[in-house]
Amino acid sequence: ELQLVQSGGGLVQPGGSQRLSCAASGITFRSSWMSWVRQAPGKGLEWVANINQDGSETYYADSVKGRFTISRDNAKNSLYLRMDSLRAEDTAVYYCARDIVVVVSDWFDPWGQGTLVTVSS
Amino acid sequence: SSELTQDPAVSVALGQTVRITCQGDSFRSYLASWYQQKPGQAPVLVIYGKKNRPSGIPDRFSGSSSGNTASLTITGAQAEDEADYYCNSRDSSGNYRVFGGGTKLTVL
Repeated sequence: ELQLVQSGGGLVQPGGSQRLSCAASGITFRSSWMSWVRQAPGKGLEWVANINQDGSETYYADSVKGRFTISRDNAKNSLYLRMDSLRAEDTAVYYCARDIVVVVSDWFDPWGQGTLVTVSS
Repeated sequence: SSELTQDPAVSVALGQTVRITCQGDSFRSYLASWYQQKPGQAPVLVIYGKKNRPSGIPDRFSGSSSGNTASLTITGAQAEDEADYYCNSRDSSGNYRVFGGGTKLTVL
């Protein structure tokens, strides 16, 4: 069974940093694009960033560009999101997801369980 | 603001058919995927590649697309289908993913 298990998150002060992790099992992690998606309290889904199979390509939403860094370690079947210069508006549940890319069609499956990041003093 | 536009809320009577739509210029080039999210849970993929269903998703869920509009149709809505539904595709540049604002489905 495909499974993504997330760790990290919690309370962090404005301007601080946080690293999220996502451990994959049951999937061919090293051959998969991966994404981070977040959801602010009571709001909709927002795509944050994605990374290609070997980490040579990364893309970021404008809202996090220059502050967040997506990375991966294929030897550990793990995906990471380093978040710096955190703001109150970054408060959200963060999900990792396998990002399946097929020419003109993309989809996210499976998803991690989500982890809450709260930015507050 | 999102490049994909969804109605914020839709309701359907139990057992009836409902269509949830998503508008965006990206659908002239890219296909939509659809996600169901229930309170306190992670999103679940329900439709991908325009009209494919993952294993375990009931066949009452179907997808379609025409012009700049992608649609998710639930034929014979059940109480357990009450949830938020999100569409996803690429933005106008084709480099980034974007979600619609979500549609809250109420089954009456």
